[in-house]
Amino acid sequence: LAKTTQPISMDSYEGQEVNITCSHNNIATNDYITWYQQFPSQGPRFIIQGYKTKVTNEVASLFIPADRKSSTLSLPRVSLSDTAVYYCLVGPLNSGGYQKVTFGTGTKLQVIP
Amino acid sequence: NAGVTQTPKFQVLKTGQSMTLQCAQDMNHNSMYWYRQDPGMGLRLIYYSASEGTTDKGEVPNGYNVSRLNKREFSLRLESAAPSQTSVYFCASSSHYTDTQYFGPGTRLTVL
Repeated sequence: LAKTTQPISMDSYEGQEVNITCSHNNIATNDYITWYQQFPSQGPRFIIQGYKTKVTNEVASLFIPADRKSSTLSLPRVSLSDTAVYYCLVGPLNSGGYQKVTFGTGTKLQVIP
Repeated sequence: NAGVTQTPKFQVLKTGQSMTLQCAQDMNHNSMYWYRQDPGMGLRLIYYSASEGTTDKGEVPNGYNVSRLNKREFSLRLESAAPSQTSVYFCASSSHYTDTQYFGPGTRLTVL
């Protein structure tokens, strides 16, 4: 499994754009990059997934450079409710019927009023 | 559509006691997972089930057993609880087609 490295914590003011970068130098050709969000006392929730270039949904954008050795989760105009832990996961899809990924310790984002 | 449900929400055990954590999903997913999360830590996979009738060990299986009762239900059993098993336990399920994992609300277990 590809090892991922993320900052342990980040602070941001409300209304700012937040970019969280994840390094995954040994990403494999068939690996996808997935981000989850976890609020206190809740289970993680899927945010976004991508393979290359850029993916955007109603919650976030995911930027993946051509070499795929890193990825950046971008949260536009964060609010206090975006305070959470964000996990970057790397692994193949449909690998024998289950998802072979590892949740690291994630990045704890604190949004400040 | 309840998604993934877990029971109980909270549990306190004494060392040596046994219990079963229940998990059910109504999304017709093939794969189900049990994770534990210790304070300030990420999630660690205990066991997973790729499909009904199959189970396999994850990263930290010692001290646990699982049963995939049917496609909907996946239970986790602690035969002889130890204080080191104090944690929050999350169940999740995923579709074979998208692999997105959907998590339950968790069970907070304390072993005294």
